[in-house]
Amino acid sequence: EVQLVESGGGLVQPGGSLRLSCAASGFTFSNYWIHWVRQAPGKGLVWVSRINRDGSTTNYADSVKGRFTISRDNAKNTVYLQVNSLRAEDTALYYCARGLSESYTYTLGYWGQGSLVTVSS
Amino acid sequence: QSVLTQPPSVSAAPGQKVTISCSGSSSNIGNNYVSWYQQLPGTAPKLLIYDNNKRPSGIPDRFSGSKSGTSATLGITGLQTGDEADYYCGTWDSSLSAVMFGGGTKLSVL
Repeated sequence: EVQLVESGGGLVQPGGSLRLSCAASGFTFSNYWIHWVRQAPGKGLVWVSRINRDGSTTNYADSVKGRFTISRDNAKNTVYLQVNSLRAEDTALYYCARGLSESYTYTLGYWGQGSLVTVSS
Repeated sequence: QSVLTQPPSVSAAPGQKVTISCSGSSSNIGNNYVSWYQQLPGTAPKLLIYDNNKRPSGIPDRFSGSKSGTSATLGITGLQTGDEADYYCGTWDSSLSAVMFGGGTKLSVL
């Protein structure tokens, strides 16, 4: 069974940092693109970032470029999202998602349950 | 404001049919596959339609997808109260090098 479990969220002050983790199981992790998608309370889905199979290719939404960094450790079956210079508008539930199959780079077939990041003083 | 435009809400009676539109441009829908996601209240999104019109295993054929030019449509027939959810279209934007979602459509089954 495909499982994606996010962790690392919490309450952080404006300007602060966090590292979110997405631990995967139930599939050959190194064969899949992994994405981060966020959802502010009561709002819609917003794509944040993605990383390819070996970590050599990454993409980011304009709103997070230069502040967020996605990375992966295939030996640990884990993807990370380093979030820096946090703003109030970054407050959201952050989902980790996997490509539908090995060839799908932007179709999100499996989702985790999310990790809540709250930016407030 | 989302690059992909969806109606904020749609409604229909149980057993009826509803369609949800998603409008984009040549840099996204026009040249890439469209997916649809269902988000039931309080849960994570779930893939409903991929590659414009394909259903993952386990998704009933009451759900269908289509694409024409720079627009896509999700259709749901035989509406059930359990279909009440938010629905999002998604695709790749080749100009922005980013995944794009529509703003979401809230379906009410009255």
